Amino acid sequence: GAVVSQHPSWVICKSGTSVKIECRSLDFQATTMFWYRQFPKQSLMLMATSNEGSKATYEQGVEKDKFLINHASLTLSTLTVTSAHPEDSSFYICSARDSGTEEETQYFGPGTRLLVL
Amino acid sequence: AQSVTQLDSQVPVFEEAPVELRCNYSSSVSVYLFWYVQYPNQGLQLLLKYLSGSTLVKGINGFEAEFNKSQTSFHLRKPSVHISDTAEYFCAVSDPYSSASKIIFGSGTRLSIRP
Repeated sequence: GAVVSQHPSWVICKSGTSVKIECRSLDFQATTMFWYRQFPKQSLMLMATSNEGSKATYEQGVEKDKFLINHASLTLSTLTVTSAHPEDSSFYICSARDSGTEEETQYFGPGTRLLVL
Repeated sequence: AQSVTQLDSQVPVFEEAPVELRCNYSSSVSVYLFWYVQYPNQGLQLLLKYLSGSTLVKGINGFEAEFNKSQTSFHLRKPSVHISDTAEYFCAVSDPYSSASKIIFGSGTRLSIRP
């Protein structure tokens, strides 16, 4: 089946540093990937839609200059949290849709837990 | 705009008992509906989905859900639960006519199984 990986699985950083999270589709191509964040005991909130070869589409209230998204290839999207602060601590999850099918299913990565000290 | 409501934030059930997790959606157009499961500290796994056709959808791990257009519901059921079913369950909706393919999630229902 379709597999999506994320790296790293967890990261601890100091306030003010930048953190990059990778999302890869391992056995399919994805022109569209999605980035979510999930606070403890809450649902997933869509942050942005990552489009291969073009700019990401951000949801209302999400700062595009703080959460930089790059989708340089059909199998890789990266989310960079710039100048991270403690309030950015969260569980970040990506998903990818298989471009080679008509399927609407999104396949989710295992998530990246970010802790900003 | 589409939205999803999961009325129960927590559902405690005894092992081998049946369970129903409720999900209602609001949308002015046709929808795709999904149920995902999230085990502790993990990502989401697709349980089942409704795109079209038969309103009774069977998924993995013995779960099934029924699409009810008149009641705008997509409740998840399992006739006999196991301890390993303890997890967070999310109902989700997307717009089949949108090129963006965005999925909107409900707030989640925590299913806890008691021995």
